[in-house]
Amino acid sequence: DVKVTQSSRYLVKRTGEKVFLECVQDMDHENMFWYRQDPGLGLRLIYFSYDVKMKEKGDIPEGYSVSREKKERFSLILESASTNQTSMYLCASRTSGINEQFFGPGTRLTVL
Amino acid sequence: EDQVTQSPEALRLQEGESSSLNCSYTVSGLRGLFWYRQDPGKGPEFLFTLYSAGEEKEKERLKATLTKKESFLHITAPKPEDSATYLCAFLNYGGSQGNLIFGKGTKLSVKP
Repeated sequence: DVKVTQSSRYLVKRTGEKVFLECVQDMDHENMFWYRQDPGLGLRLIYFSYDVKMKEKGDIPEGYSVSREKKERFSLILESASTNQTSMYLCASRTSGINEQFFGPGTRLTVL
Repeated sequence: EDQVTQSPEALRLQEGESSSLNCSYTVSGLRGLFWYRQDPGKGPEFLFTLYSAGEEKEKERLKATLTKKESFLHITAPKPEDSATYLCAFLNYGGSQGNLIFGKGTKLSVKP
């Protein structure tokens, strides 16, 4: 079974802090994704990566950056957290040639 | 503009009361329609992929169907454990890699 893990289930940070969200997958998938999920807005794509050190902006990249130094790990970075970044953050991965994405359990981030 | 709309937003059923969830889409060229199940506080769990009109897939009490304009998720004799939010998504090739565009979901509650 595909396993996607995220470093924290719940996280509370202060406005202005730098925040790192980590995602690791164990199935050698080339493609990895970061989404945020908000009530009434659904899942929205922040960034994705189709290879090590490669990244592309999704629909809402403002205020975020990403890092992919190793194939199995994809990090989402909030350079200076703001209250409007309070959300559920979901990581997903898939292998090239297969379209189904597999999701991690999510990180519920609260920015105070 | 490509988009996907799910209806109803919420659905309450009695145990054993069969029903259907709708996912309608307007895309220039459908390359895949996906169904996911999401339990509260967890990441989405992959259910089905459909690629062409007329295609059907089944899993336990769930059956997904696809036409040229919409997909249905039929739930036969549901049980309380089927309570969840069901998400549909289509495959978008607007970027350099295929990404999923999600609907906002249908929250299903099944009462015993």
